[in-house]
Amino acid sequence: SAVISQKPSRDICQRGTSLTIQCQVDSQVTMMFWYRQQPGQSLTLIATANQGSEATYESGFVIDKFPISRPNLTFSTLTVSNMSPEDSSIYLCSVVVGSEETQYFGPGTRLLVL
Amino acid sequence: AQSVTQLDSHVSVSEGTPVLLRCNYSSSYSPSLFWYVQHPNKGLQLLLKYTSAATLVKGINGFEAEFKKSETSFHLTKPSAHMSDAAEYFCVVSDRRTYKYIFGTGTRLKVLA
Repeated sequence: SAVISQKPSRDICQRGTSLTIQCQVDSQVTMMFWYRQQPGQSLTLIATANQGSEATYESGFVIDKFPISRPNLTFSTLTVSNMSPEDSSIYLCSVVVGSEETQYFGPGTRLLVL
Repeated sequence: AQSVTQLDSHVSVSEGTPVLLRCNYSSSYSPSLFWYVQHPNKGLQLLLKYTSAATLVKGINGFEAEFKKSETSFHLTKPSAHMSDAAEYFCVVSDRRTYKYIFGTGTRLKVLA
């Protein structure tokens, strides 16, 4: 398994601003993902964070809105840009360790946009 | 394409009675399946997983699930519910080529005293 931390754990932001969320893992991992969980909903995959290259985005998500970096095997950031109230969600990172298929999730970042 | 359907959005049981949370999947090849639990204001915790070994999978906290290929199901069960089991439960199918997860819509379990 892996120990995953996210910063910040929660934030309240004004519309039009941007927030960068950090995901730190205690060991090198194979894959890193970013998810969004809107209030009362299930999880939706935003993108796969690729080390040293551009992230791979899912349908409906674009780099200009959700830029992602992954400079090494243990760290990634997700930025939520030009926020609106509709961006109020929990944002979670997850990792895959080695070749096992299991994803381990961070505690999430709770974002409220006013 | 893969998909997963959780048949009940809400389930209520009395404490001490059995729990059944239903999940059906669709996959063009042999899937890997998972159940996760999310307690209020908490992250996701892995309950159990099926990755083509034994079809009856035992997980944490007394939960288990049985993979039934003929029924394309992976239902989650527990013999006796505890108040601490009240949470949101997600059934997940994994794409083995990309490691991507596809989440079900979730089932909220309520345990009555």
